Amino acid sequence: EAGVAQSPRYKIIEKRQSVAFWCNPISGHATLYWYQQILGQGPKLLIQFQNNGVVDDSQLPKDRFSAERLKGVDSTLKIQPAKLEDSAVYLCASSLGSFAFFGQGTRLTVV
Amino acid sequence: GDSVTQMEGPVTLSEEAFLTINCTYTATGYPSLFWYVQYPGEGLQLLLKATKADDKGSNKGFEATYRKETTSFHLEKGSVQVSDSAVYFCALSDGGGGADGLTFGKGTHLIIQP
Repeated sequence: EAGVAQSPRYKIIEKRQSVAFWCNPISGHATLYWYQQILGQGPKLLIQFQNNGVVDDSQLPKDRFSAERLKGVDSTLKIQPAKLEDSAVYLCASSLGSFAFFGQGTRLTVV
Repeated sequence: GDSVTQMEGPVTLSEEAFLTINCTYTATGYPSLFWYVQYPGEGLQLLLKATKADDKGSNKGFEATYRKETTSFHLEKGSVQVSDSAVYFCALSDGGGGADGLTFGKGTHLIIQP
């Protein structure tokens, strides 16, 4: 079975620029998550979707971060404008209900 | 809010040694508990899980028991191999079935020397 696909794998941008990440979950998985993993820390949940509806976005910095999951399949996470402290690995995960499968992540460096 | 605390690393052991990585948690309800592992160059993958008190999760020789009285979920393996070198994350989900978002610990980097 194909896993969770993310792109790009790496991205370097200057502060105040915008960036977008894409995620394709495992086929049939209704739940999709975006996590932020800063170096040396565990992943932190940013947003959770159930189909195309938001279940939890309490930790999403909504002044600069946005995410959507149109048609309840693929998802994009956008940062605009980026700050230095946004440098992290952004992980997408999907689930049928019992546990989550993770993608390999996008490593973002903001300079 | 929910939180997970696990022992700081790196933890360095010799091959065939006994492994324990401590994990304790704070949660308001009855969470599901997980150990995820990240091998070098790979994504996070589920190692084992337990959904209720006294449940034991096991996989690849690793075990962890859900201890509600001590709010702990320590990871153990009787004889580690070089291939077990990885970063291990303890996590919880407040949803009974594990579908809610995960709260992770900081991770423990395990290094096994031949």
